[in-house]
Amino acid sequence: DAGVIQSPRHEVTEMGQEVTLRCKPISGHNSLFWYRQTMMRGLELLIYFNNNVPIDDSGMPEDRFSAKMPNASFSTLKIQPSEPRDSAVYFCASSQRKQGYTFGSGTRLTVV
Amino acid sequence: AQTVTQSQPEMSVQEAETVTLSCTYDTSESDYYLFWYKQPPSRQMILVIRQEAYKQQNATENRFSVNFQKAAKSFSLKISDSQLGDAAMYFCAYLYNNNDMRFGAGTRLTVKP
Repeated sequence: DAGVIQSPRHEVTEMGQEVTLRCKPISGHNSLFWYRQTMMRGLELLIYFNNNVPIDDSGMPEDRFSAKMPNASFSTLKIQPSEPRDSAVYFCASSQRKQGYTFGSGTRLTVV
Repeated sequence: AQTVTQSQPEMSVQEAETVTLSCTYDTSESDYYLFWYKQPPSRQMILVIRQEAYKQQNATENRFSVNFQKAAKSFSLKISDSQLGDAAMYFCAYLYNNNDMRFGAGTRLTVKP
């Protein structure tokens, strides 16, 4: 298995632009999570899906953030419009039951 | 609310020596899972070791072992025969259900040659 695949690995964008981060979970994993990591706040859970259905999006900072999971093998996290304070590393993780989460390599987002 | 505390922001160990990273957590649940993740400079989050709370036996993975004290809500990680490649951020994590893994703030481990 190739693990959790995220793209792009790095993204630099200008303030106000739309940013889309992509994630392919491990086949057979029924839960998918989006995390944000910053020096100040550490790892924060933004949203998670069970069987492609969003369960809890209380961690999403504001309406500029949205996430979708149209099928079991693909999810996106979109920021529109982006702001400099959104700069962070965004991780996608998937899991099956309580085996622990498998993380992707993360996307380092820089908004200038 | 479940919280995870790592009281050591930074730790240092000499190569080939043993180091212990501390972690405590707060929960009212009896059945849960605990994890240690390693994050090297490549930023990949790597699962190091996993412990089920209902198991009394401490988990071990090669040079990595834990000291799980359920009553004290303590879950420390011991790294034996430290290697340069062990240098990384280490995160302790708590999982009650499958939907919300809580992470500590992390401990940065430096390995001196």
